[in-house]
Amino acid sequence: SAVISQKPSRDICQRGTSLTIQCQVDSQVTMMFWYRQQPGQSLTLIATANQGSEATYESGFVIDKFPISRPNLTFSTLTVSNMSPEDSSIYLCSARAGEAKNIQYFGAGTRLSVL
Amino acid sequence: GENVEQHPSTLSVQEGDSAVIKCTYSDSASNYFPWYKQELGKRPQLIIDIRSNVGEKKDQRIAVTLNKTAKHFSLHITETQPEDSAVYFCAARPSGSARQLTFGSGTQLTVLP
Repeated sequence: SAVISQKPSRDICQRGTSLTIQCQVDSQVTMMFWYRQQPGQSLTLIATANQGSEATYESGFVIDKFPISRPNLTFSTLTVSNMSPEDSSIYLCSARAGEAKNIQYFGAGTRLSVL
Repeated sequence: GENVEQHPSTLSVQEGDSAVIKCTYSDSASNYFPWYKQELGKRPQLIIDIRSNVGEKKDQRIAVTLNKTAKHFSLHITETQPEDSAVYFCAARPSGSARQLTFGSGTQLTVLP
């Protein structure tokens, strides 16, 4: 298995500001992912972050709004920029790990509230 | 792209009864089907998964069945307990290392004592 640490666990932010979420994996992984989960909803993939290349964003998500860094094989950050109340959500980091690098594990999430 | 539909959205069962959650997928290239359990305020956790080269997999009280022809797979929980109460998500992923998981909409399972 893999242990994924994510911080902060929650934050309350003002409109127009930015928040950077950090994700640390306890083993080297090629693929890391960032998801958004609205309360009571499913998981929506924001982007895939591979070390050494630009993140790949899903439809509806853009780099200017959600810049991602992936400086090494165990760490990634997601920034939520110029926040509005519509960005209030849970943001989850995920990584594909395990022996076959096939199982996807999740961090505990960051609960973001934007006022 | 892949589309995964999950039913029912809510399910209530009496403790000790069985629970079944069903998912259908659209992409015939999908070959990996995990199920995640998410308790309130917690992270999604993998509880069981199945690959397309098998039709059924069991792990104690949990089983998953896969019908590739019909493109559907199901989660079966027997002898349910109150601690089984959670949201369950199915997912599907096509073959290829760069392909991503597509999640179903989730099922809120409540086990009544």
